[in-house]
Amino acid sequence: DTGVSQNPRHKITKRGQNVTFRCDPISEHNRLYWYRQTLGQGPEFLTYFQNEAQLEKSRLLSDRFSAERPKGSFSTLEIQRTEQGDSAMYLCASSRTGIGTEAFFGQGTRLTVV
Amino acid sequence: TQLLEQSPQFLSIQEGENLTVYCNSSSVFSSLQWYRQEPGEGPVLLVTVVTGGEVKKLKRLTFQFGDARKDSSLHITAAQPGDTGLYLCAGAKTDSWGKLQFGAGTQVVVTP
Repeated sequence: DTGVSQNPRHKITKRGQNVTFRCDPISEHNRLYWYRQTLGQGPEFLTYFQNEAQLEKSRLLSDRFSAERPKGSFSTLEIQRTEQGDSAMYLCASSRTGIGTEAFFGQGTRLTVV
Repeated sequence: TQLLEQSPQFLSIQEGENLTVYCNSSSVFSSLQWYRQEPGEGPVLLVTVVTGGEVKKLKRLTFQFGDARKDSSLHITAAQPGDTGLYLCAGAKTDSWGKLQFGAGTQVVVTP
């Protein structure tokens, strides 16, 4: 069990560029979550998948953001036309399905938009 | 806007002292989790409390869930420098414990 893996760990991009992050969950976990954390704040929920189905999206997830989990395994989060306000740590977590199943987080991707 | 309020925001103590971090809300949660986060890393789960009034101990850490399942506390006895970190509480409102509402965190610094 290698835990939740996120790539890249750090990304610096110019305003207006598109970026894509990848998350590989723990292998037997069929739920996958994306969170965003800005400096001095706790993580904020963005969206989650059960297998390949995206079951919920937060209002924080503007139309410039899109998340996919095409085969129910890894997931990608794409941000189009990045803005400076998108600078944050993007965290991925995974869990099993069922009552009382805790989520485990990856190390995150730190995005800086310049 | 964080629905879970943590206090204090920052705590600096000497090695060997005790500390308590509080997590309060006006909402009822089906479970409440405590995480610790190091700079540049993701949160690491410490404990989950589910039952109102529940107390869980993890070595020198004691976690309590309020009777009404709206608040929680974390108490560290005889703090060590390795306890330094950002402590986050997070509540789940459904049986899916991965969809969480986090507090803003309490930064704890333990100096030798």
